[in-house]
Amino acid sequence: AQKITQTQPGMFVQEKEAVTLDCTYDTSDPSYGLFWYKQPSSGEMIFLIYQGSYDQQNATEGRYSLNFQKARKSANLVISASQLGDSAMYFCAMRPFGNEKLTFGTGTRLTIIP
Amino acid sequence: GAVVSQHPSRVICKSGTSVKIECRSLDFQATTMFWYRQFPKKSLMLMATSNEGSKATYEQGVEKDKFLINHASLTLSTLTVTSAHPEDSSFYICSAALLSSGRGIREQFFGPGTRLTVL
Repeated sequence: AQKITQTQPGMFVQEKEAVTLDCTYDTSDPSYGLFWYKQPSSGEMIFLIYQGSYDQQNATEGRYSLNFQKARKSANLVISASQLGDSAMYFCAMRPFGNEKLTFGTGTRLTIIP
Repeated sequence: GAVVSQHPSRVICKSGTSVKIECRSLDFQATTMFWYRQFPKKSLMLMATSNEGSKATYEQGVEKDKFLINHASLTLSTLTVTSAHPEDSSFYICSAALLSSGRGIREQFFGPGTRLTVL
């Protein structure tokens, strides 16, 4: 079984600052994928970034980067130069390779302050 | 590409009635779709995996007779909440799996969700 832990229920960040959203996970699977999704107030889940457990480099997608520390089982999301539109819920999720079922964390509500 | 739609986006019904929610993959075929439930300010909980042409696989604790899933075609899965009660009020989200050539993995593309309110 997999477990995702997001310890920050809410965060307030000044616009243009960088922000790190924490995610730790627990799994017995040797190979797995880690995902981050953004959920605005409208409800849709927006894919942000993906990291495979065997990827040597940390994933980056525009202003998003994933600080993957496999030994610590952490996959923190870093958003650089935050914008007002970044205000949303952010979910960390994982699934084992060969299995499409995603396990989600409890989420972090990020609020960007002008 | 990889757009998933849901209909309706919002539904209010009386207790005891049944409600059908549609999930469509608009520009790709999906042999596998997923149904999630999300309570206010909570995480997404997987309810079931919907497989085209076969029975859905339900997660532990999800009542099969309460939440009927039909995946009749490669672009459509439906979730029917039967004899709905106020405790069934929730946000229901579907997703469809597709191989993402850019990332080389099968991704889940999510629909916009359906907010169900049972009076």
